[in-house]
Amino acid sequence: AQTVTQSQPEMSVQEAETVTLSCTYDTSESDYYLFWYKQPPSRQMILVIRQEAYKQQNATENRFSVNFQKAAKSFSLKISDSQLGDAAMYFCAYRGYQGAQKLVFGQGTRLTINP
Amino acid sequence: DVKVTQSSRYLVKRTGEKVFLECVQDMDHENMFWYRQDPGLGLRLIYFSYDVKMKEKGDIPEGYSVSREKKERFSLILESASTNQTSMYLCASNTRTGHVGAFFGQGTRLTVV
Repeated sequence: AQTVTQSQPEMSVQEAETVTLSCTYDTSESDYYLFWYKQPPSRQMILVIRQEAYKQQNATENRFSVNFQKAAKSFSLKISDSQLGDAAMYFCAYRGYQGAQKLVFGQGTRLTINP
Repeated sequence: DVKVTQSSRYLVKRTGEKVFLECVQDMDHENMFWYRQDPGLGLRLIYFSYDVKMKEKGDIPEGYSVSREKKERFSLILESASTNQTSMYLCASNTRTGHVGAFFGQGTRLTVV
């Protein structure tokens, strides 16, 4: 079974600085998707960024980028120029190509932005 | 705008009650999911459905059942609510290709007293 691990329960960063959230996963599949979700206090889960495992190029979305290391099974999220609105819970998630298309989530990292 | 709607945002029920959590999606998605979210544990899958009347157990199905009579609606049922089922419940849906992940409802915070 696939597992996703986020080893940082909490992180904090100064406004305008850069922060990196860590995620590792375990799978025997070769093709899969990886995602980062943001959950602000409103509780609405928002997709931040996604990566397809067959793509070597790291995904970027404006201030958000990932460092995808397939061999190491690592998928970290970098937030540049942190803003107060980035404060939220962040979840890393995995989904395989084959079989049941469920998302497997990590434990989450609570990100605080200090003004 | 795509939408997944959960019937209640907050719910308080008594121990032993039968509880229904409803979820509706308007995107014609094949897959629907119920997750439970607890601090430090992330989101854990309770049940999912990949078609009408089809369901599969997730990681923590004990104490729960589900119903999917129509494609757009997926219900989570707590047969006899217990205090250890106090939690946040999130419904989600996606397509079989799933390259955009899943779309989530706003969550139901259930308290069992």
